[in-house]
Amino acid sequence: AQSVSQHNHHVILSEAASLELGCNYSYGGTVNLFWYVQYPGQHLQLLLKYFSGDPLVKGIKGFEAEFIKSKFSFNLRKPSVQWSDTAEYFCAVKMNNNAGNMLTFGGGTRLMVKP
Amino acid sequence: DGGITQSPKYLFRKEGQNVTLSCEQNLNHDAMYWYRQDPGQGLRLIYYSQIVNDFQKGDIAEGYSVSREKKESFPLTVTSAQKNPTAFYLCASSYRGRSGGEQFFGPGTRLTVL
Repeated sequence: AQSVSQHNHHVILSEAASLELGCNYSYGGTVNLFWYVQYPGQHLQLLLKYFSGDPLVKGIKGFEAEFIKSKFSFNLRKPSVQWSDTAEYFCAVKMNNNAGNMLTFGGGTRLMVKP
Repeated sequence: DGGITQSPKYLFRKEGQNVTLSCEQNLNHDAMYWYRQDPGQGLRLIYYSQIVNDFQKGDIAEGYSVSREKKESFPLTVTSAQKNPTAFYLCASSYRGRSGGEQFFGPGTRLTVL
């Protein structure tokens, strides 16, 4: 079965530190890739997405992610985190296998940024 | 404003009772989804519907039921057969077909079984 792995379950950083959250998936076909963020008490919202083209994708609030096809990875990065980035981050993958628009989610990473 | 609404925000249920969670969207999306969110497990798909009057089981459908009588509405019933129903439930919607798969989420309902 296809799966999505986020290896970091909890990350604690100080403000201005750099962030990289890992995401790997297991599916050999073409994929669409997403990072969602869930701020405390708020809706799950889209941070960025990759469908095709430039594998380096820029999203909102200074986040970016790089799709490395050979590694089946879509890691999320931010050069300098802020206290307001404290949230839970979810990687999601749509396998382009004609099975509709279902997404498979990773287990999530809780990020805490210390002021 | 277009969006997805879920009600209630918090729900308490006694063991042995069925309970229905509401999800409504005015985004004109054909597809709707129900997920369950548990700490450390991400979002797991319970049921999804790609069109009115049609729905399919997701990965963890046991103990749940749904209906899709209207495009805008996709209620989820948590039955007494669900062995561990205490969780955070998220509803989502999306376009069908070649839209890329982006899903839009509601604010969630937190269900607690007493």
